[in-house]
Amino acid sequence: GQNIDQPTEMTATEGAIVQINCTYQTSGFNGLFWYQQHAGEAPTFLSYNVLDGLEEKGRFSSFLSRSKGYSYLLLKELQMKDSASYLCAVGDSNYQLIWGAGTKLIIKP
Amino acid sequence: GAVVSQHPSRVICKSGTSVKIECRSLDFQATTMFWYRQFPKKSLMLMATSNEGSKATYEQGVEKDKFLINHASLTLSTLTVTSAHPEDSSFYICSAREGDGQMPNYGYTFGSGTRLTVV
Repeated sequence: GQNIDQPTEMTATEGAIVQINCTYQTSGFNGLFWYQQHAGEAPTFLSYNVLDGLEEKGRFSSFLSRSKGYSYLLLKELQMKDSASYLCAVGDSNYQLIWGAGTKLIIKP
Repeated sequence: GAVVSQHPSRVICKSGTSVKIECRSLDFQATTMFWYRQFPKKSLMLMATSNEGSKATYEQGVEKDKFLINHASLTLSTLTVTSAHPEDSSFYICSAREGDGQMPNYGYTFGSGTRLTVV
């Protein structure tokens, strides 16, 4: 079956770095997405990886290893506004998104 | 960038009534739109996929007669929750995909969501 795993909740300190992991097993692979979702709002696109390696976008970076079925989202210089849920999603062989349950990130001062 | 407008953002309705939610792509043509439902502290659950001019494809367990989806144009899809009950209360989100779906690197553009409360 199709499965995407990510931690349920993580806590980090303002100004620090946090890494949110995602492992997946899907029928086919057409890219991995990371989204940010604040409570009561729709998800916001953060990154897309289709090739192995690290994609850097400002304070956020995303890494992919297709052979390991593994990705991580790295957030640097954490700010209070980064408190949100982070959703990992994989495009399957039909280009449908398969969603993880999301990781709630709590930032403490 | 691509923008998807979803309306209304919040709606409260009585049991037994129907509610229509609209999803519009403002600056691109969305050949495919997706409707999701999200329960508190849970991830997105895909309800159905709609392609312009054809019938929607519903996910297993989603009642097509209860959740009516219409994708009449390349910029508009609607979800109608018919004969709503309190258990239909949820956060409904639409998403639009540009192009023929062969370039998912566009990312899926989401609407702002609709909070439905059935009393």
